[in-house]
Amino acid sequence: DQQVKQNSPSLSVQEGRISILNCDYTNSMFDYFLWYKKYPAEGPTFLISISSIKDKNEDGRFTVFLNKSAKHLSLHIVPSQPGDSAVYFCAARLNYGGATNKLIFGTGTLLAVQP
Amino acid sequence: EAQVTQNPRYLITVTGKKLTVTCSQNMNHEYMSWYRQDPGLGLRQIYYSMNVEVTDKGDVPEGYKVSRKEKRNFPLILESPSPNQTSLYFCASSSGQAFSYEQYFGPGTRLTVT
Repeated sequence: DQQVKQNSPSLSVQEGRISILNCDYTNSMFDYFLWYKKYPAEGPTFLISISSIKDKNEDGRFTVFLNKSAKHLSLHIVPSQPGDSAVYFCAARLNYGGATNKLIFGTGTLLAVQP
Repeated sequence: EAQVTQNPRYLITVTGKKLTVTCSQNMNHEYMSWYRQDPGLGLRQIYYSMNVEVTDKGDVPEGYKVSRKEKRNFPLILESPSPNQTSLYFCASSSGQAFSYEQYFGPGTRLTVT
């Protein structure tokens, strides 16, 4: 049972345009949501996060939006650059009430930014 | 430089031949974890460790063992590898504090079992 879903395996956008990557989740116990970026032959690297008590977090060209009622989050990249081409993983943290850092990952979306 | 290292980066082996993938972090992190990445399945947690001598199963632990004798090291052991364990493996670490959710990943180990 996939608790974190990324329904789009791939996305292609033109340089300078907006990229929107989507993620849906099912578990109401998630307390943080994160986006990771992965280049080929490298490990995932943390990009941006949002607490479950917020609805927006912005960091430069990257903005994450959280809609708790819809159990949906999205990552906006504006403007998109060719160097943004990578696989993007959505992840959610489960909070068991103690010091736990279990992350549940989505299946990833391959973003291709065309020059 | 803060980092998570894994060795080897690439490994081809045969069914049943025991192997160990090492993982080491230099950030004094309490929490360490192993994931496998497979096409269409994303990253799935194999085992994790909250601190030295404290380990627990993740979502796909069958066929794997781990140990945490030192804080910095968290090796993944495949006692009798099978072809369905062919995958890309990542080690990750993070602070054990509840407010620290970011995990730092190693570069990955691509394992092929024939």
